[in-house]
Amino acid sequence: EAGVTQFPSHSVIEKGQTVTLRCDPISGHDNLYWYRRVMGKEIKFLLHFVKESKQDESGMPNNRFLAERTGGTYSTLKVQPAELEDSGVYFCASSQEGAEARASYNEQFFGPGTRLTVL
Amino acid sequence: KNQVEQSPQSLIILEGKNCTLQCNYTVSPFSNLRWYKQDTGRGPVSLTIMTFSENTKSNGRYTATLDADTKQSSLHITASQLSDSASYICVVRVAGTALIFGKGTTLSVSS
Repeated sequence: EAGVTQFPSHSVIEKGQTVTLRCDPISGHDNLYWYRRVMGKEIKFLLHFVKESKQDESGMPNNRFLAERTGGTYSTLKVQPAELEDSGVYFCASSQEGAEARASYNEQFFGPGTRLTVL
Repeated sequence: KNQVEQSPQSLIILEGKNCTLQCNYTVSPFSNLRWYKQDTGRGPVSLTIMTFSENTKSNGRYTATLDADTKQSSLHITASQLSDSASYICVVRVAGTALIFGKGTTLSVSS
């Protein structure tokens, strides 16, 4: 079974340009998460989809970031316009929709990440 | 403030030796604690997940402990192998969905 995939693996863009990252979760996983790690810092939560709905977007840094998950399958994260501080590795993760009793486990499977460099 | 602190920041050991990585957290309300292994260029992969009622959990040569009273966890690696070289990340889940990540410990196993 294929794991979580992300595209592209690397992206180098200039400040002010637009970049769109894509995540394909494990088939059948209703939950999809976006995370980001900037250099020297820990991985931080950006947002969480349940199917096509945004469950929690409290980690989105500002309105230059737009995440979508049309149809509840793959997701895109667009940064427009990109700034220098947006550089980092963007991870996507997915998990199954568990029963309430098991919800606390909710193991998340991570993709390999997209390394974004804004020059 | 929800925080996860890991030590040491980096560690170098010889192949075959054991090591222990530490994690202290201040997270509330606590749901569970996870240890992930992240190889260079890859995403994190789960090693163990423990709730507050679990004191220890093993996964092969990896053994995680949790002391919910002192809010400390450790990951013990036995008989290290070259393939254990990676970043080990302690992650605490806040009740709900949010995961709070530590910065990780970079382990290098040399022959």
